[in-house]
Order: sequence, then structure tokens, then C-alpha cells
Amino acid sequence: KQEVTQIPAALSVPEGENLVLNCSFTDSAIYNLQWFRQDPGKGLTSLLLIQSSQREQTSGRLNASLDKSSGRSTLYIAASQPGDSATYLCAVGNNDMRFGAGTRLTVKP
Amino acid sequence: DAGVIQSPRHEVTEMGQEVTLRCKPISGHDYLFWYRQTMMRGLELLIYFNNNVPIDDSGMPEDRFSAKMPNASFSTLKIQPSEPRDSAVYFCASSFRQGRTEAFFGQGTRLTVV
Repeated sequence: KQEVTQIPAALSVPEGENLVLNCSFTDSAIYNLQWFRQDPGKGLTSLLLIQSSQREQTSGRLNASLDKSSGRSTLYIAASQPGDSATYLCAVGNNDMRFGAGTRLTVKP
Repeated sequence: DAGVIQSPRHEVTEMGQEVTLRCKPISGHDYLFWYRQTMMRGLELLIYFNNNVPIDDSGMPEDRFSAKMPNASFSTLKIQPSEPRDSAVYFCASSFRQGRTEAFFGQGTRLTVV
């Protein structure tokens, strides 16, 4: 069974900093990896999807990388803003979709 | 499309009662997933369907839980009888050609069993 781990569990940074969130998985036989954002009391919003054949995807200030052979993905957030405060979850996709526990990010003004 | 639609948004019920959660996936999506989210256990995959057929229900915690997908536009998750430890947020998600495209989530149903 796929196990997904996210480090750190929580992160607090001042506004403007660049930051990296980490995701690791145990089974490299995946179709894709997806990063989501969840605001308190809300549903999950898709941020980026990386196919297993890709190395990275970019959307605005977000960049996600994937190293399938080592079972790792990172989400890079440039020039963080208070509005980026949320929980970030990675999900590893095969026929199913398994989630890590998330990283709770706080960006202080 | 309006996205994945779940109902009700909130449900409060007494222990022992039957609870039915509903989900309408995005039109054209062939995969549907049910998740449960708690502070202690995070997001747990309960069951998923492909073309209305249950593929893996190994995440369903007990026989009290059951899920159906009678057609491509509707799925239910039923708990009978409900217990306080079932209190959680239940999410439904759908995707097209799982693994090749993004999955989209509903807003969830917050279930409280008292």
C-alpha cells in the first residue's frame, strides 16, 4: 500500500520568503502527483498536477517537481504572501489517490 | 460544470441513526472517490469507483459503511448505524481517466454524530 509523507507538518515564515514543502512516497509506480491547497473548513483546491513522465510543473509563483525514482516531490512557493496561508496536501495517483497528512503553512505579514 | 456537488453540507444525527451522504461528480468523469478527513487520521480513502463499479473498498472501516453508484451522475455513502466516532468531514472527488488528469473535490459533508 502506498505511504505518503509530508515534511514539515507545520511551517511559519515571514511574508516575502521563498519556501519548499516536501512530499515523499514509498511506491514509485505512480501515474501522477497532485498538489492541493485546503483552507480551514473548506474543500481541496487543485494547484498543480505532474504526470509521471514529467519533472516539474509551474503555475504563477508555484513550482512543483517530481523525482519518481527517489519517491519525492517538492512544492516551491516564491515570494510568499499572507494569502498563501493554508494546508498543502500532496496526493499520489495510481488507479487510486493517496494523500499525505499535509503541511500547515502560515505566512506572517 | 458546477463541479463536484455534495449534500448535505452539514449533518447532525443521533447515535444509531442511518446517515446518507450524496455526491454528484463532474459530468464525463469516470472515477469517483470517497474520503474521510479527521484531525487524527488525515484524509483516508474509503472507496473508489470506475465507471460506476466499486474497485477498491478496503478503506471502508466497518460493515456499517456502504457505498453505491447507481449511475454515472450519482453516488451515496451510507452509515448504518452511525456512531460518535464516525464524526468527520466526508469528501467526494471525481476525475477523468484517473492518473492522467486532475481530480476535483466537492466541498465536503461535515458529519456530527451525538
